[in-house]
Amino acid sequence: QAQLVESGGGVVQPGGSLRLSCSVSGVTLSDYNIHWVRQTPGKGLEWVAILSDDGNSKAYVSFAKGRFTISSDNSKTTVYLQMDSLRAEDTGIYYCATSLGNQSPMEVWGQGTTVTVSS
Amino acid sequence: SYDLTQPLSVSVALGQTASITCGGDNLEKKYVHWYQQRPGQAPLLIIYKNTYRPSGIPERFSGSYSGNTATLTISRAQAGDESDYYCQVWDSDTSFYVFGTGTTVTVL
Repeated sequence: QAQLVESGGGVVQPGGSLRLSCSVSGVTLSDYNIHWVRQTPGKGLEWVAILSDDGNSKAYVSFAKGRFTISSDNSKTTVYLQMDSLRAEDTGIYYCATSLGNQSPMEVWGQGTTVTVSS
Repeated sequence: SYDLTQPLSVSVALGQTASITCGGDNLEKKYVHWYQQRPGQAPLLIIYKNTYRPSGIPERFSGSYSGNTATLTISRAQAGDESDYYCQVWDSDTSFYVFGTGTTVTVL
């Protein structure tokens, strides 16, 4: 069973950067797509980005394009979300989750890491 | 952009049945997944591909669909079912993953 642990959240000023990490254990990362999903205060879930199981395909929601970058490390046990040019509206809890294919559900979720963008 | 619409809130009496709808264009051509999110917790997959239940999810939770509407049904509602519920699909036109607006279930 996959286990996901997010880290790297914190408080950052508008315009700043953060790198979130999603540590994956219990499964082989190359067998799963990894998503980042966020939940902003008082709002619902928003999909942010996906890294394909082979690491070669990435996709981003509109608000993340050009500001956020998803990647993995060479050992393929950690997936990152580099977030640049952060805005107040990026404040929220960021979760990583696994899936097997485009139409497959997000089966396993981490506990989330909190990002606060504030001056 | 593709949108999924859910009722903001649903109330159900203890032991009774609650139904949560999820509407979207051409929904019958997509797989709908449902997640439960208890306060302060990460989402939990409870229904996948419209009607299937992951291992460990009680049979009281079921999914169905008709036309452009998918429905999550909670039978014999318990106090522990008080949560937010979200539907989700993959939109092949944009390659985006889309969540519904979310529904808060209150058990009276």
